[in-house]
Amino acid sequence: KAGVTQTPRYLIKTRGQQVTLSCSPISGHRSVSWYQQTPGQGLQFLFEYFSETQRNKGNFPGRFSGRQFSNSRSEMNVSTLELGDSALYLCASSLGHGVNTEAFFGQGTRLTVV
Amino acid sequence: QKEVEQNSGPLSVPEGAIASLNCTYSDRGSQSFFWYRQYSGKSPELIMFIYSNGDKEDGRFTAQLNKASQYVSLLIRDSQPSDSATYLCAVNNAGNMLTFGGGTRLMVKP
Repeated sequence: KAGVTQTPRYLIKTRGQQVTLSCSPISGHRSVSWYQQTPGQGLQFLFEYFSETQRNKGNFPGRFSGRQFSNSRSEMNVSTLELGDSALYLCASSLGHGVNTEAFFGQGTRLTVV
Repeated sequence: QKEVEQNSGPLSVPEGAIASLNCTYSDRGSQSFFWYRQYSGKSPELIMFIYSNGDKEDGRFTAQLNKASQYVSLLIRDSQPSDSATYLCAVNNAGNMLTFGGGTRLMVKP
């Protein structure tokens, strides 16, 4: 059974550019959540998509957006990149939407903004 | 005030000992609690989750939850050097929105 697949694994972008990250959840899972991990702030929730609808949103600026497709794959977009956006971006796959649902992480996308 | 607190460590234990990792949370309405292990440079790996007061055991791991004290812990029995990693406590308050603690670095010495 395939796990959570994130692409690309590494990205280097310039300030002001935009970037799109992709996440394919575990087969049969319908929820995808996105997290940002930095040494200073730790793991922080960005947003969750379930059945193509955003269900929860963290405290991040509007430059961070996402979407989910009918096959449950999700993309996250960051526009007008800033140096502080350099981080490991992780997506988590869950079977359903609920507080007792396990979340499994992908390998992450390491974004470096220069 | 951080919503989920963990001692950053490092917590150092000898091989074969019991490692005890602790986590406190501020939202009394929190419903489920997760433990993840993260090796350096890798993504978090789910160890186990718990949502009822008491103990839950899975192999060498035992999660303990005390909602009255807003406290959750993870015990690792017979610790091995391969258990050396950062352990992340996470709380789920709504949907699949996890709030993470800063993590505790565990070092198991041979």
